[in-house]
Amino acid sequence: GQNIDQPTEMTATEGAIVQINCTYQTSGFNGLFWYQQHAGEAPTFLSYNVLDGLEEKGRFSSFLSRSKGYSYLLLKELQMKDSASYLCASDNDYKLSFGAGTTVTVRA
Amino acid sequence: GAGVSQSPSNKVTEKGKDVELRCDPISGHTALYWYRQSLGQGLEFLIYFQGNSAPDKSGLPSDRFSAERTGGSVSTLTIQRTQQEDSAVYLCASQGGGVTEAFFGQGTRLTVV
Repeated sequence: GQNIDQPTEMTATEGAIVQINCTYQTSGFNGLFWYQQHAGEAPTFLSYNVLDGLEEKGRFSSFLSRSKGYSYLLLKELQMKDSASYLCASDNDYKLSFGAGTTVTVRA
Repeated sequence: GAGVSQSPSNKVTEKGKDVELRCDPISGHTALYWYRQSLGQGLEFLIYFQGNSAPDKSGLPSDRFSAERTGGSVSTLTIQRTQQEDSAVYLCASQGGGVTEAFFGQGTRLTVV
């Protein structure tokens, strides 16, 4: 599959901000997705970027730089319920490939 | 149905038996993926179907694993002669045409004893 790199774990305090970085292969690139997966549940769609720049959806924002093969997911005003794994997924040649996920732990 | 449906939700099988896992994708979705996820691990790609094209089987871990998709809709993942290391959650996802988000089923938790 496509090489997608993201950190394994991140810890932050309730109310804080966390930024999860992701790098992907640019060959045949069509778009970048972020998913959230709570323990024991299926992944659910969070955001989609196809053009350079920042997409904001409430407390969550996602950024894309196509030339750098780089994206990040920004989680603001962290809540305990945001503790989950966050998966970066790249569409290359109309096929989705997922990173291993970043486990975010929110502490009180 | 409204979403991706997988059955069974849980399956316990004895080592050496064959199992079949079923995925009903969202109606009209042309792409279908199978993934495997072990406890605390990321998604492991298994196989990808896109329309009438030949499936991408590059992620199947051994020849004991096979999958088919009949009529461009329902898919079945078959594991022959199951081994304990096959124990995992098997997730199916479907995707509409073009570059759109994939929707996941709730998965089948397979336990080989």
